[in-house]
Amino acid sequence: DAKTTQPTSMDCAEGRAANLPCNHSTISGNEYVYWYRQIHSQGPQYIIHGLKNNETNEMASLIITEDRKSSTLILPHATLRDTAVYYCIVRVAEGGKLIFGQGTELSVKP
Amino acid sequence: GAGVSQSPSNKVTEKGKDVELRCDPISGHTALYWYRQSLGQGLEFLIYFQGNSAPDKSGLPSDRFSAERTGGSVSTLTIQRTQQEDSAVYLCASSKDRDYGYTFGSGTRLTVV
Repeated sequence: DAKTTQPTSMDCAEGRAANLPCNHSTISGNEYVYWYRQIHSQGPQYIIHGLKNNETNEMASLIITEDRKSSTLILPHATLRDTAVYYCIVRVAEGGKLIFGQGTELSVKP
Repeated sequence: GAGVSQSPSNKVTEKGKDVELRCDPISGHTALYWYRQSLGQGLEFLIYFQGNSAPDKSGLPSDRFSAERTGGSVSTLTIQRTQQEDSAVYLCASSKDRDYGYTFGSGTRLTVV
């Protein structure tokens, strides 16, 4: 599975959009981009995933560049409860294990 | 059930003892995964079950670790002759199929003293 690169940490003001970038320059054509988050002392939570089209659900939007070498997770109106570590992972469509990296620690501040 | 259930939530054991950790996945989920997370560290993949296929055991750190999944549902992770470095939160996840997102349980916090 392709490797991903994320910033170690980011801050965001409460109520503003949080834009979390992820680089996956070696992604293959059959690999999906997944996003999870882990709030302190809890198990990780699935957020969203996509292949090449932009995706949106009740939690977030996922923007994937046309060349698929990078993506951005957007939390449109960040709240204090969105403070967590956010993981960007790529995985083949045929499934199998997700390999979690170090993620981005997002701090939403009042 | 409504979510992935893990038991016990906390376990303290003496070095050298064997422990069993249990995971009840969401009903109907065919895939089941075990991860562990040491204090302040990321998630480390351990093992993956998909339907009736042979499990992917590539993440098990030593032969003291084993897991089974009976009847395609409940899974048990067994650690024999526990060591202090085994102390971690052990997380189980299940998914509806290969292409779906995982749902994680709350984990079992294992402390080896």
